[in-house]
Amino acid sequence: DIQMTQSPSSLSASVGDRVTITCQASQDINNYLNWYQQKPGKAPKLLIYDASKLETGVPSRFSGSGSGTDFTFTISSLQPEDIATYYCQQYDILNSLTFGGGTKVEIK
Amino acid sequence: QVQLQESGPGLVKPSETLSLTCAVSGYSISYAYYWGWIRQPPGKGLEWIGSMYHSGSTYNNPSLKSRVTISVDTSKNQLSLNLTSVTAADTAVYYCARGGYSGYAGELDYWGQGTLVTVSS
Repeated sequence: DIQMTQSPSSLSASVGDRVTITCQASQDINNYLNWYQQKPGKAPKLLIYDASKLETGVPSRFSGSGSGTDFTFTISSLQPEDIATYYCQQYDILNSLTFGGGTKVEIK
Repeated sequence: QVQLQESGPGLVKPSETLSLTCAVSGYSISYAYYWGWIRQPPGKGLEWIGSMYHSGSTYNNPSLKSRVTISVDTSKNQLSLNLTSVTAADTAVYYCARGGYSGYAGELDYWGQGTLVTVSS
């Protein structure tokens, strides 16, 4: 099974700050990596798919990069409405999915 | 607009079978895409349970494989989940979601609102 290591598990930043979250796969997953935002009591929302493609309607301050085993998710300028928990998720050629442990983003 | 809605008992006794349905509107599940189940224990992260391709092929989390059955009722446009021999560790919010269009299970772009299932006697 492919394991996903996401870090940090939580972070606190100021409005306007650049926020970066990383996700590392236990083996090469090409670009089969997605990012989600989850607010309390709500279902996750897809933000980035295939490592770097922005889902329709998602603000451009969200971005993703990486390939192989190392991936990065960035919020270029943190906004109050971005307070949430963010998850990475990989899928593989055997159609198995794995989520990272999540990163809780708070306002300082 | 694609919409998904989970339903089922909110309380299941230990050792019994958890059964949920996911009603899909706005798209025929027999036409394309993967359709799957994901769960989230209270205060914890997301765990993929399994997915079904529109053709009927199913793929399950190896850690749950022997207890999970995912099926589709095309006449009702519904996805179903059965999880046998439940314990307190299966207490979670259960989500259904739409997956990739072709090839692989991919990204989960539409989700239901989730339903909390508690396992307790």
